[in-house]
Amino acid sequence: EIVLTQSPGTLSLSPGERATLSCRASQSVSGDFLAWYQQKRGQAPRLLIYDASSRATGIPDRFSGSGSGTDFTLTISRLEPEDFAVYYCQQYGRSPGTFGPGTKVDIK
Amino acid sequence: QVQLVQSGAEVKKPGSSVKVSCKTSGDTFNVYAFSWVRQAPGQGLEWMGGIIPIYGTAIYAQNFQGRATITTDESTSTVYMDLSSLRSEDTAVYFCARGGGLPKFFDSWGQGTLVTVSS
Repeated sequence: EIVLTQSPGTLSLSPGERATLSCRASQSVSGDFLAWYQQKRGQAPRLLIYDASSRATGIPDRFSGSGSGTDFTLTISRLEPEDFAVYYCQQYGRSPGTFGPGTKVDIK
Repeated sequence: QVQLVQSGAEVKKPGSSVKVSCKTSGDTFNVYAFSWVRQAPGQGLEWMGGIIPIYGTAIYAQNFQGRATITTDESTSTVYMDLSSLRSEDTAVYFCARGGGLPKFFDSWGQGTLVTVSS
């Protein structure tokens, strides 16, 4: 199965700053079939990005995804207070779909 | 808005089984695939398995082969996940999630069901 590694483990930033989260795959993700989710404490994950760079319905344009092959990035252009959460990447190019361990974005 | 509504929290003894339900919107039941994803306390997300209701055959992650069973009831548009031989490490929140296939990204999630395994 494809193993996803996310870095950093924790990102401490202030509101208004730019956040750059990395997701690296142990082998190339077929079709660049990679998604990003946001999860707040006590809630279910929420889909942000799919197919590496397509924003899900209702997701603000400060969230963007990029990358291909084995290296992918989620960028939050200007952090809003509600963006402090844990972010997971998921590959679905090869079965079984697998998740990364997550990056926590917390307030500096 | 798509809603996936799960059954309530469960407390189970080691060695027993648990069955968690996920009621879906009837108009999407036969159009999508449904998966179960679990999250142990303070941990990440782990895909357990999924099913495409119109085909009826479930697939499972290797870690859950032989212990998890995913089924559907078309009459109530409900997906079920049965996990047997429970152990303390199965204590987790179990989510159902909707995707366009298997594997696929998940665009809608249930609220989660906490299963606690304790003697």
